[in-house]
Amino acid sequence: ETGVTQTPRHLVMGMTNKKSLKCEQHLGHNAMYWYKQSAKKPLELMFVYSLEERVENNSVPSRFSPECPNSSHLFLHLHTLQPEDSALYLCASSQGSGVYQPQHFGDGTRLSIL
Amino acid sequence: QKEVEQNSGPLSVPEGAIASLNCTYSDRGSQSFFWYRQYSGKSPELIMFIYSNGDKEDGRFTAQLNKASQYVSLLIRDSQPSDSATYLCAVNMDMDSNYQLIWGAGTKLIIKP
Repeated sequence: ETGVTQTPRHLVMGMTNKKSLKCEQHLGHNAMYWYKQSAKKPLELMFVYSLEERVENNSVPSRFSPECPNSSHLFLHLHTLQPEDSALYLCASSQGSGVYQPQHFGDGTRLSIL
Repeated sequence: QKEVEQNSGPLSVPEGAIASLNCTYSDRGSQSFFWYRQYSGKSPELIMFIYSNGDKEDGRFTAQLNKASQYVSLLIRDSQPSDSATYLCAVNMDMDSNYQLIWGAGTKLIIKP
């Protein structure tokens, strides 16, 4: 069983829908991340939370809205997405957000925008 | 522009041979380097990390770091078909006073039986 669980695994939504992605980590970590992975492109960091405080927001469009209610849970709220937002969305966690801390990933949510 | 470069491949290696994967990075001040393996349709899985110049070995895997030349490599000895995957290199870089993992696009490795 993975230490980082993401739901749903697959999501198909229209451009006018609102949905949320959920991530839960069982590793006792205190930093969590959202990444976007598009085909043949490097992982793109979207948001970083450390001790439940957002410490990084990489110029992500406002149609993506993160929420971190506690150190074990992370959400990504989606609304009025565009076709180019279709991708694999990965959640990761680490023990601290320092340079020496490896990140551990969930299985991702495959998002398709119609 | 802070970047991590990898040859996209595919790199085809016979079973039992040594697979050599390379990665170069742009930030001379980077301090930590990570190799992840990603099977098709799966999430990245940490294989190794290295912080100091030289070699670090873990089973069939060896990570090599040369900070002066700004490259890091991963060697896989006695390659198995199960090693067929995309290998991602990630480097911690200073991005406006915040360190972030910057990722390469990955090298696809195919081990031929």
